[in-house]
Amino acid sequence: GAVVSQHPSWVICKSGTSVKIECRSLDFQATTMFWYRQFPKQSLMLMATSNEGSKATYEQGVEKDKFLINHASLTLSTLTVTSAHPEDSSFYICSARQGATGQPQHFGDGTRLSIL
Amino acid sequence: QKEVEQNSGPLSVPEGAIASLNCTYSDRGSQSFFWYRQYSGKSPELIMFIYSNGDKEDGRFTAQLNKASQYVSLLIRDSQPSDSATYLCAPEGGGVSNYQLIWGAGTKLIIKP
Repeated sequence: GAVVSQHPSWVICKSGTSVKIECRSLDFQATTMFWYRQFPKQSLMLMATSNEGSKATYEQGVEKDKFLINHASLTLSTLTVTSAHPEDSSFYICSARQGATGQPQHFGDGTRLSIL
Repeated sequence: QKEVEQNSGPLSVPEGAIASLNCTYSDRGSQSFFWYRQYSGKSPELIMFIYSNGDKEDGRFTAQLNKASQYVSLLIRDSQPSDSATYLCAPEGGGVSNYQLIWGAGTKLIIKP
């Protein structure tokens, strides 16, 4: 149980392109979903937290106009990187949590984004 | 600033031995503690979680929690080469942001055959 599906797993695109990443909880309803990015050999960095039907809460330093997050249902959240540039190249990972605090986050497989 | 400290390693352990991974945290409001494993180039996967002081066992894994000392550890018995990975300690933050995990940098574990 507690499976989170993330697509696509790998994206290569030109600078200026917008990229959408989907995160789905397959066998549970995700009250809260989280978006992280991770650079090589570095820690996970939380970008934003989203609750179904609410606006996402972005961490300090994360541009909300650059990284658009939509959590339209209890099983789906999307991250859109708008007008991506080479510095946006990274490993983006979503996680989902069922219920209230104290429950574990379950992670998708991640999306490796390369902007040329 | 809520912090989690882990020895970055690498921690090298012979196959079949016990691997001991340690973590200290600064947020006294943390009530839930999670251990994740991350293989190189992959996303984290949940190993186990603990809420109460003491030990919690799950197969070859034992989590230990001491809230008074703000210390949590993970023991891996009968270590296997497939256990080689980075282990992330993540307390859930207390207070306003009590739904977020506070991530340590992780300990790289190498199991030598």
